[in-house]
Amino acid sequence: SSELTQDPAASVALGQTVRITCQGDSLRSYFATWYQQKPGQAPVLVMYGKNNRPSWSPDRFSGSNSGNTASLTITGAQAEDEADYYCNSRDSSGNHYVFGAGTKVTVL
Amino acid sequence: QVQLVESGGGVVQPGRSLRLSCVASGYRSSLYAMHWVRQAPGKGLEWVAIISEDGSDKYYIDSVKGRFIISRDNSKNTLYLQLNSLRVEDTAMYYCTKDGGGAFRPFDYWGQGTLVTVSS
Repeated sequence: SSELTQDPAASVALGQTVRITCQGDSLRSYFATWYQQKPGQAPVLVMYGKNNRPSWSPDRFSGSNSGNTASLTITGAQAEDEADYYCNSRDSSGNHYVFGAGTKVTVL
Repeated sequence: QVQLVESGGGVVQPGRSLRLSCVASGYRSSLYAMHWVRQAPGKGLEWVAIISEDGSDKYYIDSVKGRFIISRDNSKNTLYLQLNSLRVEDTAMYYCTKDGGGAFRPFDYWGQGTLVTVSS
């Protein structure tokens, strides 16, 4: 299967921790990549590989991988973290890519 | 700094064609693969196509195979997507993205997108 499954929504109190997950068979072979998208804006890379953050991604973001599941954790969530989060990876062919349906994170 | 600027979107009738462009700056574009990703209104992200650094390898999502053509002109730092036989379901914001390369291949930079609306 080339699908990636994400929970549609998650909520977190300001300053608390939230973990969002991404499941799929392709994650047994390829690491997930995570993107943040705020309304009306282009997606932004926030996490990739084993636990790699681009320079612009705050260190409250962390990633982990186990079996067919990848996770993105926001520790000490801030109001500006309210956004849609998408995972993606290569599919089983290795030549195509697939996105999860996205998780809407609400910061309460 | 890396910048990707798309253009070419618009309103087009079903069955017609459109060509999208994406101009890259701030890095050596010929060293990196590039992707097109689209997002229908109110929906999630959908990967569309990838082209290798030198343009020799191209792959497409099944729903556009045979209708869309990805290409690049490294002398102009420009990526293209030719959209043929357009369908209503192709209506979306189209983003060009830079492939970060290396072992993990993240889409590390994104353009602001160009909107394609297919409607009669």
